[in-house]
Amino acid sequence: LAKTTQPISMDSYEGQEVNITCSHNNIATNDYITWYQQFPSQGPRFIIQGYKTKVTNEVASLFIPADRKSSTLSLPRVSLSDTAVYYCLVGENRDDKIIFGKGTRLHILP
Amino acid sequence: NAGVTQTPKFRVLKTGQSMTLLCAQDMNHEYMYWYRQDPGMGLRLIHYSVGEGTTAKGEVPDGYNVSRLKKQNFLLGLESAAPSQTSVYFCASMTVNRDNEQFFGPGTRLTVL
Repeated sequence: LAKTTQPISMDSYEGQEVNITCSHNNIATNDYITWYQQFPSQGPRFIIQGYKTKVTNEVASLFIPADRKSSTLSLPRVSLSDTAVYYCLVGENRDDKIIFGKGTRLHILP
Repeated sequence: NAGVTQTPKFRVLKTGQSMTLLCAQDMNHEYMYWYRQDPGMGLRLIHYSVGEGTTAKGEVPDGYNVSRLKKQNFLLGLESAAPSQTSVYFCASMTVNRDNEQFFGPGTRLTVL
């Protein structure tokens, strides 16, 4: 399982675009990159998954460079309700064993 | 659909007591997981199951046992609770047919005195 490194915490302001970068230098050929969001006192929630280039859904965009050694989760025009912990995970698609790290604690300020 | 449910929501135990946490899912998912989350920390995988009748160890399995007798249920047991097992426990399930999207339950807050 590839190890991931992401910032411990980040602050931003309402209306800004927030980019959270995750490093995964030893990502394997079959690995996908998956991001989860966790609000206080709740279980994590799947946000987005990608393999290469760019993936976009109604919540976020995921940018993956050609070497796939890092990825960036982009949240457009954040609001206070986007305050949460964001986890970057790397592993094979439909992997039976998914490991969460400590995540990035994002704090949105008014 | 109820999704993933966990019973109980809260529990206080004394050191040495035993208990079982129940996780149920109604999405016909093949995979199920038990995690623990300590204050300010990420999730750590305790045990997981890839199908009825099968279980496997995760990162922190010591002090816990699990069973998956029915596809929709995944039980986590503490035989002799210790204060170090004070934590929030999350259950999750996932289908093999779609990405790495796990669906999580609301959590069980366990305190061991």
